[in-house]
Amino acid sequence: DTGVSQNPRHKITKRGQNVTFRCDPISEHNRLYWYRQTLGQGPEFLTYFQNEAQLEKSRLLSDRFSAERPKGSFSTLEIQRTEQGDSAMYLCASSPLGSSGGALWKYFGPGTRLTVT
Amino acid sequence: GENVEQHPSTLSVQEGDSAVIKCTYSDSASNYFPWYKQELGKRPQLIIDIRSNVGEKKDQRIAVTLNKTAKHFSLHITETQPEDSAVYFCALNFGNEKLTFGTGTRLTIIP
Repeated sequence: DTGVSQNPRHKITKRGQNVTFRCDPISEHNRLYWYRQTLGQGPEFLTYFQNEAQLEKSRLLSDRFSAERPKGSFSTLEIQRTEQGDSAMYLCASSPLGSSGGALWKYFGPGTRLTVT
Repeated sequence: GENVEQHPSTLSVQEGDSAVIKCTYSDSASNYFPWYKQELGKRPQLIIDIRSNVGEKKDQRIAVTLNKTAKHFSLHITETQPEDSAVYFCALNFGNEKLTFGTGTRLTIIP
C-alpha cells in the first residue's frame, strides 16, 4: 500500500495522559497536514508542514498539542494532558507540490481515533 | 472570513435518480474546490475537484460545477447506485494551503 498510513488506528487513554500519533505520507509528497474530525463534522485543519518546516498552525492547536516532522518524512502529533474534548479522529494528509507552486489536492490517511475517558 | 455552507445536510434519492449537493462560500480568493466522499468509519476520499479557471468538470457519473460570480459550486451524481451512499464534503481553500470543509451531506440511495 503506497498511500498515507497512520498509527495507531485506535487509541483509548485516560484524561491527563499524553498520547502520540504517527503519520507516514506518500513518499514523494512534500506537504503533510494534520486535521481533526469530530463526529458529524467535516475535518478541521490543525497544522501543516512543507518538508520539515511547520508553516501554519490553527488556533485550534492549543499549547498541549505539538507536531513535528524532523526529517521531512514521517510526522508525529503529540497531545499532552489529554482532555475529553480531545476525543476525535485525527487525520493526516499529504500532497505534492503542484506545478503552480501550490499543493492543493490532498490524500488522507485512515486516521487515528482517539477516545479520552 | 472563512465560511462555507453546504446543503442539504441529508439527502435520500431513489436508485438511478440524480443527486445534487451545493456549497456556497464567501471568499473570492478561493481557487480550488474539491469534493470528498466518506464512508462510515473510513477516510475522506477525493472524488473530484475543480479549479477556479474551469466552470465544469465531469468524471463518469460525477460532475462538479462552479459559479465564481455567485460563489457556489455543486456536486452532481447521476444514475445513483447503492454504493454512492456516504457522507459527502465540499471543501475549498481560502487563498492558502489549508482546506476548509463544509458540514457534510449524508446521501442515502434507496434501492
